[in-house]
Amino acid sequence: EVQLVESGGDLVQPGGSLRLSCAASGFTFSDHYMDWVRQAPGKGLEWVGRSRNKANDYSTEYAASVKGRFIISRDESKNSLYLQMNSLRTEDTAVYHCVRASGGSYSDPDYWGQGSLVTVSS
Amino acid sequence: DIQMTQSPSSLSASVGDRVTITCRASQGISNRLAWLQQKPGKAPNSLIYGASSLQSGVPSRFSGSSSGTHFTLTIDSLQPEDFATYFCQQYHDYPLTFGGGTKVEI
Repeated sequence: EVQLVESGGDLVQPGGSLRLSCAASGFTFSDHYMDWVRQAPGKGLEWVGRSRNKANDYSTEYAASVKGRFIISRDESKNSLYLQMNSLRTEDTAVYHCVRASGGSYSDPDYWGQGSLVTVSS
Repeated sequence: DIQMTQSPSSLSASVGDRVTITCRASQGISNRLAWLQQKPGKAPNSLIYGASSLQSGVPSRFSGSSSGTHFTLTIDSLQPEDFATYFCQQYHDYPLTFGGGTKVEI
């Protein structure tokens, strides 16, 4: 059974940093592209970024709104995906979901984690 | 960026109704479109991929279709558990983008 469990969400001041983790199980982690998607309170879904699979060197893509501030990484030995968030802004307040893509390039999102709440406020 | 225009933003329906939600892409996405269902306080759940293929375990009353850059999600015979918010998502090009959502209410 595929499971994605996020952790690390917290209240942080503007300008601060936070790292989210996503523990993956039930599939071969290195084979799949993985995304981070966020949802601000009462709002729609916004794609944050992507980590490609091992065959593509775990290369990354980012939304313009977070590029240069957020970094996506993986630890293959722990089957974990990470989102390092720096220079946080109030508009980054959201639930952050870890999402598995069904395979590699052009693959659809098929499993979502429950999410981790990040609140940026003074 | 590819814009996904979803309509309506909300609709009221009754159990047993047929419901149709549409999504239009601002450019061609080669049917790389997913439909997601989200219930309050829960993570989204993937229903359809490739515009018309059902994810495993999704009831057959859900169906998807496409015509060029126009995509449709249809729910035949709406069930109580179908009252939720539905989103479309394109995964053809970066940044991946979502429609604004359709809230299906009683």
